[in-house]
Amino acid sequence: EAGVVQSPRYKIIEKKQPVAFWCNPISGHNTLYWYRQNLGQGPELLIRYENEEAVDDSQLPKDRFSAERLKGVDSTLKIQPAELGDSAVYLCASSLGSRRRHTEAFFGQGTRLTVV
Amino acid sequence: AQSVSQHNHHVILSEAASLELGCNYSYGGTVNLFWYVQYPGQHLQLLLKYFSGDPLVKGIKGFEAEFIKSKFSFNLRKPSVQWSDTAEYFCAIDGFNKFYFGSGTKLNVKP
Repeated sequence: EAGVVQSPRYKIIEKKQPVAFWCNPISGHNTLYWYRQNLGQGPELLIRYENEEAVDDSQLPKDRFSAERLKGVDSTLKIQPAELGDSAVYLCASSLGSRRRHTEAFFGQGTRLTVV
Repeated sequence: AQSVSQHNHHVILSEAASLELGCNYSYGGTVNLFWYVQYPGQHLQLLLKYFSGDPLVKGIKGFEAEFIKSKFSFNLRKPSVQWSDTAEYFCAIDGFNKFYFGSGTKLNVKP
């Protein structure tokens, strides 16, 4: 079974430029998460989808970050414009969980973003 | 507020030594508990999980963890580590289908 697939693996951009990350979750997983992991820290949730609905985006900096999950499958996370402090690893995860059922999350390899 | 604390940021052990990594959490409700591992250059992988039942759970590669509700702890243990256990270990809680992670513990096992 294929795991969570993310692209690109690495991205270097200049500040103020836009950037987008793509995630393909495990087939059949209704819940999709985007996390940001800063150096030396654990992952922090940015947004969580159940199917097409963003059920938790309280940690997403909405002035510059946006996300979408069309048709409840693939998802894209965008930053526009990027700032130096956005340098981090962006992780996508998926699970069969919901607000009534809990399972573990499966993670992709992440996209390492460097803003210069 | 929900939080997960991992007290050891960096642990160095020799092969065959015993391992215990601490994890404490704060959450106002029923919680599910996890340990994830990230080997160098790889993605986060589930090591073990606790949802309910026996508070001593066994995971892959000889790891186990004990949930002590009264102490809000979920410490990870392994009786004898191997060089291949060198990785970063993250404790996580799931509250309402939202995962909170600790800051991680880097384990370096010397051969």
